[in-house]
Amino acid sequence: GAGVSQSPRYKVAKRGQDVALRCDPISGHVSLFWYQQALGQGPEFLTYFQNEAQLDKSGLPSDRFFAERPEGSVSTLKIQRTQQEDSAVYLCASSPRAGTGDTEAFFGQGTRLTVV
Amino acid sequence: AQSVTQLDSQVPVFEEAPVELRCNYSSSVSVYLFWYVQYPNQGLQLLLKYLSGSTLVKGINGFEAEFNKSQTSFHLRKPSVHISDTAEYFCAVSSGGYQKVTFGTGTKLQVIP
Repeated sequence: GAGVSQSPRYKVAKRGQDVALRCDPISGHVSLFWYQQALGQGPEFLTYFQNEAQLDKSGLPSDRFFAERPEGSVSTLKIQRTQQEDSAVYLCASSPRAGTGDTEAFFGQGTRLTVV
Repeated sequence: AQSVTQLDSQVPVFEEAPVELRCNYSSSVSVYLFWYVQYPNQGLQLLLKYLSGSTLVKGINGFEAEFNKSQTSFHLRKPSVHISDTAEYFCAVSSGGYQKVTFGTGTKLQVIP
């Protein structure tokens, strides 16, 4: 596809349920990011991949959050035992280069997670 | 550490009037600065970015921003807004490396017919 694709677009989970959010970056993009955007807030960094390597996971809020990108393309963000405070829009972004701070990141439309 | 402050959470403006959306940042190192726009139910889209050189940066849709190092500001401006500019605008800063970007809390621009 032409852009970053995320699925599902909407997810309702019961508290305690595990969820998996998928991101298909732009083909060939080296860098991949996950952000969490709570209601009324700006996106907050969760984790960064360069190809298949997870170079930074400092933004993951707890050990219930796990991300992977095993083949350096599609990425999955998994949240175990969801809590109400996990309700947010989860954004994925990709960028064609690695190791630079000056390149535009292309964002997907996000997955809106609601934990009830 | 780096941070971004967008003081105005909402800015109403009449159609064809000028607008300025304010952004201040803090960082201990040289920065790259960005403005992103988020239309309803869409992903973030880059409006413009400052990397180096000229402090006046022109972006898409007639927007421009001016980098002011002494005031640590990167305000976004448009001389005449349209209804289609109604959206939320995010200022963001990156201090290099692998592009860990820090976003502000956003400013909702509401253009009134």
